[in-house]
Amino acid sequence: GAGVSQTPSNKVTEKGKYVELRCDPISGHTALYWYRQSLGQGPEFLIYFQGTGAADDSGLPNDRFFAVRPEGSVSTLKIQRTERGDSAVYLCASSPGAGLRAFFGQGTRLTVV
Amino acid sequence: EDKVVQSPLSLVVHEGDTVTLNCSYEVTNFRSLLWYKQEKKAPTFLFMLTSSGIEKKSGRLSSILDKKELSSILNITATQTGDSAIYLCAVKASNTGKLIFGQGTTLQVKP
Repeated sequence: GAGVSQTPSNKVTEKGKYVELRCDPISGHTALYWYRQSLGQGPEFLIYFQGTGAADDSGLPNDRFFAVRPEGSVSTLKIQRTERGDSAVYLCASSPGAGLRAFFGQGTRLTVV
Repeated sequence: EDKVVQSPLSLVVHEGDTVTLNCSYEVTNFRSLLWYKQEKKAPTFLFMLTSSGIEKKSGRLSSILDKKELSSILNITATQTGDSAIYLCAVKASNTGKLIFGQGTTLQVKP
């Protein structure tokens, strides 16, 4: 596909479980961003990758959150010991380079029960 | 701390009305300001503004940046029910492209 693809589109998990959210960016885009959007709020920055490396992870809320991008393309956001407060829509965006216009995926709605 | 504030938080109008959405920001390293429309989950890009006083226009939508007042407005004329959405303002405040978003304005256009 031509756009940013995120899977799954919806995920329901029990408190305390581990989850992985996947982002497949637009082909050739070197910059990749993860955001989290809680109900009634704007997206909140989590982490930015340039290539394989996390260039800015200042938005990760705590050490339960981790993200990887081992080959500079697909990225996985991993959340350990999920809590009800982690429930949100997790958005991924990619761009051809840092500072250039980013394109968003449809997001993954995570619900922790 | 970098901050983006939008007003109003919500707005209900009737088809044909004109609306103005506001965005103000306090950031230490301003690069550009962007507007997005969010109907379901994915924000879709509307405008990017970098220069003060230059209006960007696309059909019934237009936007302008005032760097002196640290603010921007998004105007929608002759609103349609399809304009109902959340409108997000974001500021790019570094070379990385990381965006700082406002809370969004929820617009509902009634027939």
